[in-house]
Amino acid sequence: GQQLNQSPQSMFIQEGEDVSMNCTSSSIFNTWLWYKQEPGEGPVLLIALYKAGELTSNGRLTAQFGITRKDSFLNISASIPSDVGIYFCAGQKETSGSRLTFGEGTQLTVNP
Amino acid sequence: ETGVTQTPRHLVMGMTNKKSLKCEQHLGHNAMYWYKQSAKKPLELMFVYNFKEQTENNSVPSRFSPECPNSSHLFLHLHTLQPEDSALYLCASSQPPGWTDKVTQYFGPGTRLLVL
Repeated sequence: GQQLNQSPQSMFIQEGEDVSMNCTSSSIFNTWLWYKQEPGEGPVLLIALYKAGELTSNGRLTAQFGITRKDSFLNISASIPSDVGIYFCAGQKETSGSRLTFGEGTQLTVNP
Repeated sequence: ETGVTQTPRHLVMGMTNKKSLKCEQHLGHNAMYWYKQSAKKPLELMFVYNFKEQTENNSVPSRFSPECPNSSHLFLHLHTLQPEDSALYLCASSQPPGWTDKVTQYFGPGTRLLVL
């Protein structure tokens, strides 16, 4: 099925740095979700966005639902070693019921 | 217990074995999902159940047989699998579309399956 274009594919940063990743699509989405997945575990929901232009924070994480409804970004401020993992975006379209379209993930490595 | 739980967490089986994966959600949701996650590939939706009824089968081979006895429990019965079926199998739950306009899926920890 259709995928979201998530970038970058991987990031190697130093502890304390800020991180930014984004997802784009040619389609319009009603909902954007950001998940984090650690090795051997399932994706954990970080932030859910339901309205175009919405900016939502969860601790050091901030995500925005793009005005065009075709993109979203996730920022992590002052990264720490436990931020390591794969971050996935997922979008839900009005016409797709509960089906989600997933990005391919951003692998984040934080060096202490 | 809260959230979405899955058992077993790890499973090794031969190609002639029959096994079952179990998922249970404690979130009061009425939609449940099975996903397959293979290395280096995006999550693949396998099955969707809304109010215990299967509403989506994403061209999954018949060696995978889902069962949803009630809105809180979901099973995936496995029979004569192939080595390429080795993957992380994830269960998720949400409220169904139409029930809410905020269809947010919550995932379980997954079952790591190895088929020998």
